[in-house]
Amino acid sequence: QKEVEQDPGPLSVPEGAIVSLNCTYSNSAFQYFMWYRQYSRKGPELLMYTYSSGNKEDGRFTAQVDKSSKYISLFIRDSQPSDSATYLCAMSAGAGSYQLTFGKGTKLSVIP
Amino acid sequence: NAGVTQTPKFQVLKTGQSMTLQCAQDMNHNSMYWYRQDPGMGLRLIYYSASEGTTDKGEVPNGYNVSRLNKREFSLRLESAAPSQTSVYFCASSDDRHNYEQYFGPGTRLTVT
Repeated sequence: QKEVEQDPGPLSVPEGAIVSLNCTYSNSAFQYFMWYRQYSRKGPELLMYTYSSGNKEDGRFTAQVDKSSKYISLFIRDSQPSDSATYLCAMSAGAGSYQLTFGKGTKLSVIP
Repeated sequence: NAGVTQTPKFQVLKTGQSMTLQCAQDMNHNSMYWYRQDPGMGLRLIYYSASEGTTDKGEVPNGYNVSRLNKREFSLRLESAAPSQTSVYFCASSDDRHNYEQYFGPGTRLTVT
């Protein structure tokens, strides 16, 4: 079993839809949970991070972590064509941990 | 403030040739990383450097060497390129108190024929 599983998609939604992106993991030591966004032919950029369990909201984006189920989600409300990108989940055991474990990424297209 | 820069952007090598990928950051970060990204495999860590003068292996170090030249620069060398090293290579850096927040460069697309 891979440490982090992420459905690669692709996922295609109409503009304005609510998007749900998910990852599951197996390592109980993970404490930091990140979502990176990667536009085509660009490097990834950090979108949000969450420490331990709970929710975090930033504008149209909400990150959720359920450590009991080893399941994390990213919700995008009122999706826009500019949200079209690949979304990578990533996890680490601590703030100073050098090694992040990435999911394979989900490719999202938001159709105008 | 350029962030993380990488050179070259594209490179084609023949099997057995060598090359060095260059990376520099201007954010005064201690931690720097080299990743490769392949379709269906995601991002995989090749090497990382916690500080100037130190380097450590990541998940896929075979066939690569690195040098942390100073605080700003971290280079990746392929001594004898193989077709399996065809990939997109990303350099990243982070503040070592927040290594979960990594800043990535634009990438180098390498093809080995």
